[in-house]
Amino acid sequence: AQSVTQPDIHITVSEGASLELRCNYSYGATPYLFWYVQSPGQGLQLLLKYFSGDTLVQGIKGFEAEFKRSQSSFNLRKPSVHWSDAAEYFCAVGYTGTASKLTFGTGTRLQVTL
Amino acid sequence: DGGITQSPKYLFRKEGQNVTLSCEQNLNHDAMYWYRQDPGQGLRLIYYSQIVNDFQKGDIAEGYSVSREKKESFPLTVTSAQKNPTAFYLCASSNPGQVQETQYFGPGTRLLVL
Repeated sequence: AQSVTQPDIHITVSEGASLELRCNYSYGATPYLFWYVQSPGQGLQLLLKYFSGDTLVQGIKGFEAEFKRSQSSFNLRKPSVHWSDAAEYFCAVGYTGTASKLTFGTGTRLQVTL
Repeated sequence: DGGITQSPKYLFRKEGQNVTLSCEQNLNHDAMYWYRQDPGQGLRLIYYSQIVNDFQKGDIAEGYSVSREKKESFPLTVTSAQKNPTAFYLCASSNPGQVQETQYFGPGTRLLVL
């Protein structure tokens, strides 16, 4: 069965600093990979997704993620964090051929200090 | 604007009571999903439906029921058999078979037990 690990439960960064949120997956075939962001009490908003092709994916709000097959990772990055980026971030993986059934990681809560 | 609406935003359940959460989408998506979110546990799939009049159990279906009589609607009933219903419930939809199929989420309903 597929699984997703987000090893960092909580991360604190200073505004303007760079950010990297880790995501590792366990799945035998080529995965479909997603990052979502959730503000408190809100639904999930799609940041970016990887299906195939270029392994460096650009998303909204200045985020990017890199798919590394050899490391089974899909880490999310942002060069300069803004206070409004404080939220919870979820990585998710779908089956090859369909993203109709996603497995989510447990999330990483990002705190931004001014 | 196209999107997913969930109502109510907050819902209170008394002991032994069934309650129904509403999910409506106007994205013309064929597939719809219900997830449960508990702190520190990410999202877990309750039920999903890929076409009208058909639905499948997810990972934690016990104590829940659904119907899919219309393409745009996928209500979730939390029955009295669900002993720990307090959680945040998220509805999502997608278009299976679409290139780069992606799930989009509603704003969520928080269910509390009185």
